[in-house]
Amino acid sequence: DIVMTQGALPNPVPSGESASITCRSSKSLVYKDGKTYLNWFLQRPGQSPQLLTYWTSTRASGVSERFSGSGSGTYFTLKISRVRAEDAGVYYCQQVREYPFTFGSGTKLEIK
Amino acid sequence: QVQLQQSGAELVKPGSSVKISCKASGYTFTSYDMHWIKQQPGNGLEWIGWIYPGNGNTKYNQKFNGKATLTADKSSSTAYMQLSSLTSEDSAVYFCARWGSSGWYFDFWGPGTMVTVSS
Repeated sequence: DIVMTQGALPNPVPSGESASITCRSSKSLVYKDGKTYLNWFLQRPGQSPQLLTYWTSTRASGVSERFSGSGSGTYFTLKISRVRAEDAGVYYCQQVREYPFTFGSGTKLEIK
Repeated sequence: QVQLQQSGAELVKPGSSVKISCKASGYTFTSYDMHWIKQQPGNGLEWIGWIYPGNGNTKYNQKFNGKATLTADKSSSTAYMQLSSLTSEDSAVYFCARWGSSGWYFDFWGPGTMVTVSS
């Protein structure tokens, strides 16, 4: 199975500052079609996860431009610009390059 | 609008089985894979498998072979997951999630069903 390893954040992050979350995969997530199958989700307390980005950097419908995904191969980053209280929660990266789909262990973001 | 409505919390005994449901609305149920994901208390997310309601095809995470069985009822637009031989390790919240229409992702999630295994 592909192992997804996420970095931690120096919580709490002051409102208005930026935060970057890292995610490493144990295998390249580039598929034969050239796309990189890495997704990011946010799970707010008591809620279901919400898709933020897919194909590494494509924002999902309705997601703020403050969220930007980047990376390639096995190293990825989700940057959140000008963090707000509503951004608090746990962020997960997920690979859908191959079965079984696997998630990172999550990175908690707290806002000050 | 797309909605996934899941059945209520379950308290079940070790060794028993439980069947939870995910009723879909707002889209053509038979045209999208439905996935199931496990989240243990305080833990991350674990992918269980998917079913394509159009023809009943399934794909499982090998870890859940023999534990989870996915089915779908086209007439009621409802997906089901049965969990068998329950132990405390099966206590978790279980989400259903629809596979995306234009990419490889889960675009809509149900609210989750909490299953507690306790004697």
